[in-house]
Amino acid sequence: EAGVAQSPRYKIIEKRQSVAFWCNPISGHATLYWYQQILGQGPKLLIQFQNNGVVDDSQLPKDRFSAERLKGVDSTLKIQPAKLEDSAVYLCASSLMVNTEAFFGQGTRLTVV
Amino acid sequence: QKEVEQNSGPLSVPEGAIASLNCTYSDRGSQSFFWYRQYSGKSPELIMFIYSNGDKEDGRFTAQLNKASQYVSLLIRDSQPSDSATYLCAVSADGLTFGKGTHLIIQP
Repeated sequence: EAGVAQSPRYKIIEKRQSVAFWCNPISGHATLYWYQQILGQGPKLLIQFQNNGVVDDSQLPKDRFSAERLKGVDSTLKIQPAKLEDSAVYLCASSLMVNTEAFFGQGTRLTVV
Repeated sequence: QKEVEQNSGPLSVPEGAIASLNCTYSDRGSQSFFWYRQYSGKSPELIMFIYSNGDKEDGRFTAQLNKASQYVSLLIRDSQPSDSATYLCAVSADGLTFGKGTHLIIQP
């Protein structure tokens, strides 16, 4: 069974530029999460989808971050404009349903210079 | 605000000994509890999950849950150098919240 796929693996951009990350969850998984992990810290939830609806985006900086999950499968996370403090690893995870085991993709390491 | 607390460590344990990792959580409505292992530069990998009070064993790993005390623990028996990593506790109450992780070092 294929795991969670993310791309790109690495991205370097200048501040004020925009960037987008893509995630393809495990087939059949209804719940999709985007996390931000800063070095030395635990993953911080940015947004949670249940199928194509948003369940929780309370910690998403909505002035610069946006996310969508079209057709309840693939998802994209966008940052526009990026700030230096957005440098982090962006992790996508999926689970069959809420409150079940979640599996992570390899992550995208973003560096903002 | 849902909170998950872990001692950041580092926790140093001799090879062959038992490593004990602890976690507390704030939301009494939490339903599912997970332990992830994260090697440096890698993404978190699920190693244990537990839904009911008590112990759950899988190989060298035992997860323990006490909902009354809002406490979850992970025991690693016969610790190996390859167990050296950061261990993340995660709690789900319709959303998955992580602690900051405990850095575990197994000394050969």
